[in-house]
Amino acid sequence: EAQVTQNPRYLITVTGKKLTVTCSQNMNHEYMSWYRQDPGLGLRQIYYSMNVEVTDKGDVPEGYKVSRKEKRNFPLILESPSPNQTSLYFCASSLKGSQETQYFGPGTRLLVL
Amino acid sequence: LAKTTQPISMDSYEGQEVNITCSHNNIATNDYITWYQQFPSQGPRFIIQGYKTKVTNEVASLFIPADRKSSTLSLPRVSLSDTAVYYCPPRMSWGKLIFGQGTELSVKP
Repeated sequence: EAQVTQNPRYLITVTGKKLTVTCSQNMNHEYMSWYRQDPGLGLRQIYYSMNVEVTDKGDVPEGYKVSRKEKRNFPLILESPSPNQTSLYFCASSLKGSQETQYFGPGTRLLVL
Repeated sequence: LAKTTQPISMDSYEGQEVNITCSHNNIATNDYITWYQQFPSQGPRFIIQGYKTKVTNEVASLFIPADRKSSTLSLPRVSLSDTAVYYCPPRMSWGKLIFGQGTELSVKP
């Protein structure tokens, strides 16, 4: 089944404790992206990747890192999480030529205390 | 800069047809128009896309006039499970979709 998976789905952590949220897709998509969703602010893009080893900042990249060493995986790294990073995170992927059609993961709900 | 405008909320009853209209300002010539559905705490789900005229799939129909300045998502005979937020996000050149607030559809029994 074609899908985007994220792990973990739920995470409670404390300020400053490094964490990684994994994202994997099995559709051979070139384009991958991370969004965060907060009440009243909609979905905002954090980082995106056009292909392996090609990443760039979105609208709200501060406090986050990403890497794209393999086509299928696009982990989101929070080196030193802070409470303002408490949010619902979504990973998405698409074919390079069909970026209007993005497939989203189930989401990761993060609480930073 | 591409931008879309859609109603913030709509109410309907089970069994009715629901039409949600989106206006597309500065849509790029080559861009398709897409609609997404999002349930609470779930990721947006692509439901339909089109370029011109009418497209229909098992979930919805999409009507796009010749000038492509608007689109209308049509949901036939809605049920309670169609209660969700619907988006018509424009796409930026690097693939970012601008979801905005969307249209919150509430279907009542």
